[in-house]
Amino acid sequence: KQEVTQIPAALSVPEGENLVLNCSFTDSAIYNLQWFRQDPGKGLTSLLLIQSSQREQTSGRLNASLDKSSGRSTLYIAASQPGDSATYLCAVMGDSSYKLIFGSGTRLLVRP
Amino acid sequence: DAGVTQSPTHLIKTRGQQVTLRCSPKSGHDTVSWYQQALGQGPQFIFQYYEEEERQRGNFPDRFSGHQFPNYSSELNVNALLLGDSALYLCASSYQRAQYFGPGTRLLVL
Repeated sequence: KQEVTQIPAALSVPEGENLVLNCSFTDSAIYNLQWFRQDPGKGLTSLLLIQSSQREQTSGRLNASLDKSSGRSTLYIAASQPGDSATYLCAVMGDSSYKLIFGSGTRLLVRP
Repeated sequence: DAGVTQSPTHLIKTRGQQVTLRCSPKSGHDTVSWYQQALGQGPQFIFQYYEEEERQRGNFPDRFSGHQFPNYSSELNVNALLLGDSALYLCASSYQRAQYFGPGTRLLVL
């Protein structure tokens, strides 16, 4: 049974810091991995999608890496801003599945 | 291009009642998935509809049922509501397995 874990659960950093969010999964037979952002009480915004054959994806100040064999992904945020404050969720889709399995998220606060 | 839309945005029901939530997928998407998100947790998969049939189901009781219409829009029905059904219900549409989420419906069961 696939399980997704995100560490840390919460993070508070001063503006301008570079930071790394971690995601681990127990079953390496994945089709893709997605990182989402969720603002309080809102829906999910897709940030980056990495196919199982890829090692990383980049969008602006965000970079996500995938190491399928070790069951790990990281989301790197460069030069953090107060507007980056949100909960970041990692989710995997299995090879033979259509559902996303989510971690519990990392709650990020960027202090001005 | 409109994204995924959901209605209503908020809903208050009492225990034992029934509720219907609605979702319109992103243009060009033929698949709709439903997720339940409890406070402080990640979303949990309820089921997915494709070609008007339930293609995959998560670990939810039969009180949760759904439907997909020929225009790909979808409904989620929950019968005999329990206090524990209070959550944010998220709809996601997809084409070839990349999922895009709507704003959600916040359901409160009293």
